[in-house]
Amino acid sequence: GENVEQHPSTLSVQEGDSAVIKCTYSDSASNYFPWYKQELGKGPQLIIDIRSNVGEKKDQRIAVTLNKTAKHFSLHITETQPEDSAVYFCAAKMISGYQKVTFGTGTKLQVIP
Amino acid sequence: NAGVTQTPKFQVLKTGQSMTLQCAQDMNHNSMYWYRQDPGRGLRLIYYSASEGTTDKGEVPNGYNVSRLNKREFSLRLESAAPSQTSVYFCASSGDVWAQYFGPGTRLLVL
Repeated sequence: GENVEQHPSTLSVQEGDSAVIKCTYSDSASNYFPWYKQELGKGPQLIIDIRSNVGEKKDQRIAVTLNKTAKHFSLHITETQPEDSAVYFCAAKMISGYQKVTFGTGTKLQVIP
Repeated sequence: NAGVTQTPKFQVLKTGQSMTLQCAQDMNHNSMYWYRQDPGRGLRLIYYSASEGTTDKGEVPNGYNVSRLNKREFSLRLESAAPSQTSVYFCASSGDVWAQYFGPGTRLLVL
């Protein structure tokens, strides 16, 4: 089955700096890669996603890049703010009969004011 | 439009007790899912329902049962709770697009 590895597990940055979280996946058939943000005590919230026919996607301060050849994708947050502090999960979807999504183990991001 | 709702928010059980976690979505989504989240292990799929009337096992189904009551509701039942089932449980739903939308979670402690 699909395996998604996520690094780093924790990340501290100064407010205003950039943060990068990286994920690798094992199944070349995966073609959909969402990113979720989970604040303390809440459920994961979809923040951005990318499909395998696109190499990069941006939404304001958030961007995701995908390298299909190397089977890795990354989340970039620019001009970080304290409210960006949360746990971020990457995920990959296998092409199969149902919409199973495999999640990474999460990155705890702390933005220091 | 409430999205995905879950009840209860918190629950404490004794070993051997049973309970049902409720989930409902108002987005007219076909697919619904139950996950558990444990420290260091991310989100693991317990059961899913690709459409009304169907349910299938995920990665960690042992000790759980599910019911897709209708298109809106998908419940998770613990017949005989064990301490290993202490976790945070999330329900999610998805429609024709691939994104999944999560509920706020149920925090369960089994003593």
